[in-house]
Amino acid sequence: DGGITQSPKYLFRKEGQNVTLSCEQNLNHDAMYWYRQDPGQGLRLIYYSQIVNDFQKGDIAEGYSVSREKKESFPLTVTSAQKNPTAFYLCASKDYNEQFFGPGTRLTVL
Amino acid sequence: KNQVEQSPQSLIILEGKNCTLQCNYTVSPFSNLRWYKQDTGRGPVSLTIMTFSENTKSNGRYTATLDADTKQSSLHITASQLSDSASYICVVSDTSGGSYIPTFGRGTSLIVHP
Repeated sequence: DGGITQSPKYLFRKEGQNVTLSCEQNLNHDAMYWYRQDPGQGLRLIYYSQIVNDFQKGDIAEGYSVSREKKESFPLTVTSAQKNPTAFYLCASKDYNEQFFGPGTRLTVL
Repeated sequence: KNQVEQSPQSLIILEGKNCTLQCNYTVSPFSNLRWYKQDTGRGPVSLTIMTFSENTKSNGRYTATLDADTKQSSLHITASQLSDSASYICVVSDTSGGSYIPTFGRGTSLIVHP
């Protein structure tokens, strides 16, 4: 069953904590992306990776970090430096000219 | 700066009625335009993709049009169903650079009432 999985579906964070969102794909795609979605806003690019061991900052990378040690995995860490992290986070991978999205993780800061 | 504007922001229609969503873009050089459907709390799913040479493309009750001269696209939904209630996102990509970084619109929120 091919696709993109994200976990957890819901995540709660206390102020000052770092949390890591998981993104895994078995589609054999090279490129992967992390987006943030807020109500009434379009998707905003946090980080993207075109190949293993390489990644680039997107428009809103401050307070976030990523790694790409394996082709299948692109975890996102939301650090305590991100002052307003409550949002819906979407991971995507790309095949030719289409992005395929995961089901998302909703992060809430308590 | 590349931009994608969608209208209306939200739309409420009765089940069985038709509706049309609009997308205007200033992305250059243009590569393709894609419409996504996003159910609440889920990831977006692609409905159609339009390239420069295509004017119309259908996917069941969804029909997308593209006018590359005026840089406008529309998504027409025929005989709406309750399951069409979702956000519809217009996404435009360009051909510049080596990375695929599309530009997303803010989406149109569609509510279909019985």
